[in-house]
Amino acid sequence: DAGVIQSPRHEVTEMGQEVTLRCKPISGHDYLFWYRQTMMRGLELLIYFNNNVPIDDSGMPEDRFSAKMPNASFSTLKIQPSEPRDSAVYFCASINGGGLGTEAFFGQGTRLTVV
Amino acid sequence: GDSVTQMEGPVTLSEEAFLTINCTYTATGYPSLFWYVQYPGEGLQLLLKATKADDKGSNKGFEATYRKETTSFHLEKGSVQVSDSAVYFCALMNYGGSQGNLIFGKGTKLSVKP
Repeated sequence: DAGVIQSPRHEVTEMGQEVTLRCKPISGHDYLFWYRQTMMRGLELLIYFNNNVPIDDSGMPEDRFSAKMPNASFSTLKIQPSEPRDSAVYFCASINGGGLGTEAFFGQGTRLTVV
Repeated sequence: GDSVTQMEGPVTLSEEAFLTINCTYTATGYPSLFWYVQYPGEGLQLLLKATKADDKGSNKGFEATYRKETTSFHLEKGSVQVSDSAVYFCALMNYGGSQGNLIFGKGTKLSVKP
């Protein structure tokens, strides 16, 4: 398997524009997580899915953020409208949640810059 | 809610020095505990893990012991190398009240000088 794949790797957009980040988890994994990483706040959990169903979205900062998982092999994180404070690295991770201590596999991240 | 607290960085050490990075957690239920490492420009990758009290996780010379009585999972290495320079994250995954919730600390940046 190629691992967790995120696209794009880098995104530069103007304030007010819509941004869509994409993630393809490892085949067979039933949990998918979206994180945001900044220097100030570290690694924040935004939302996670189990079997394509959102379980906890309490980390989503505000209504401008939305996430979907239409099927087991694809998820999106959308920001509309984007703001400069959304600039961060966004990571997707997937887990085969079958047991204790299961390892999470991370994508390489999308570096978002909103100007 | 569940949370992980780890020591603030950055930590700068000379090669062959002893490393400790402190980590404590708050969680309901019986979480599994992890240390992940992030090299520049990359995603996180698992370093070691422990799934129950008194378990010791180990990998690449790093160790951490799951201490339920002190709710801690401190990372140690006896002799660091320049190649260990990275950001280290403590994490928990809860199989109790918040099943499936994978929570990370803020990370500790380690720089090892030759």
